[in-house]
Amino acid sequence: QSVLTQPPSASGTPGQRVTISCSGSSSNIGSCAVNWYQQPPGTAPRLLIYTNNQRPSGVPDRFSGSKSGTSASLAISGLLSEDEADYYCAAWDDSLNGWVFGGGTKLTVL
Amino acid sequence: EVQLVESGGGLVQPGGSLRLSCAGTGFTFSAYTINWVRQAPGKGLEWVSCISGSTNVIYYADSVKGRFTISRDNAKNSLSLQMNSLRDEDTAVYYCARVRGLLTDSWFDAWGQGTVVTVSS
Repeated sequence: QSVLTQPPSASGTPGQRVTISCSGSSSNIGSCAVNWYQQPPGTAPRLLIYTNNQRPSGVPDRFSGSKSGTSASLAISGLLSEDEADYYCAAWDDSLNGWVFGGGTKLTVL
Repeated sequence: EVQLVESGGGLVQPGGSLRLSCAGTGFTFSAYTINWVRQAPGKGLEWVSCISGSTNVIYYADSVKGRFTISRDNAKNSLSLQMNSLRDEDTAVYYCARVRGLLTDSWFDAWGQGTVVTVSS
């Protein structure tokens, strides 16, 4: 059971916009910044969004993040087949003194 | 180019020990907190442990506390994870990842390719 809650799956067709939610509590998302990681099949995770809504260099602006209260979301617009991957949210947890992850959302591009 | 390369994975019996290593290149290794994150087969990511650049701050996940020990040798740009009393549920791919930012606003901006640990009799 992951500390952060994500839907196990999401899907969309090419060109569509999809959103993935991430729910936490006051000790993690409620008081700390949220990050998102993308993990294509068989590869290591890579940073997608940091500090709630910042994109590292090289990440397309089709990817955006937001946070409100104890929840966060990742939006992907103009869906491409290469976006098919697992997506994880993460944040520091002040009560656990460690980072916590969501269980991951498998995105399928139909 | 920032690179992290893990090594030391393998097959070990329950109750056994294994030592993982992570070598960092392309950046000032001693300036960064480094984490271990693991992923059991078909499962999600789980944070394991972290050590600050100066080695004076160390944290462990409850699932490994008392069994795993993290350490680093900044002179050799190297990080280690000594894993003792291994259990079946420790079977996973182990990644090392570099931390940016400060704890409440921090992220993992570079990851290694992972090393596989299998605990089985």
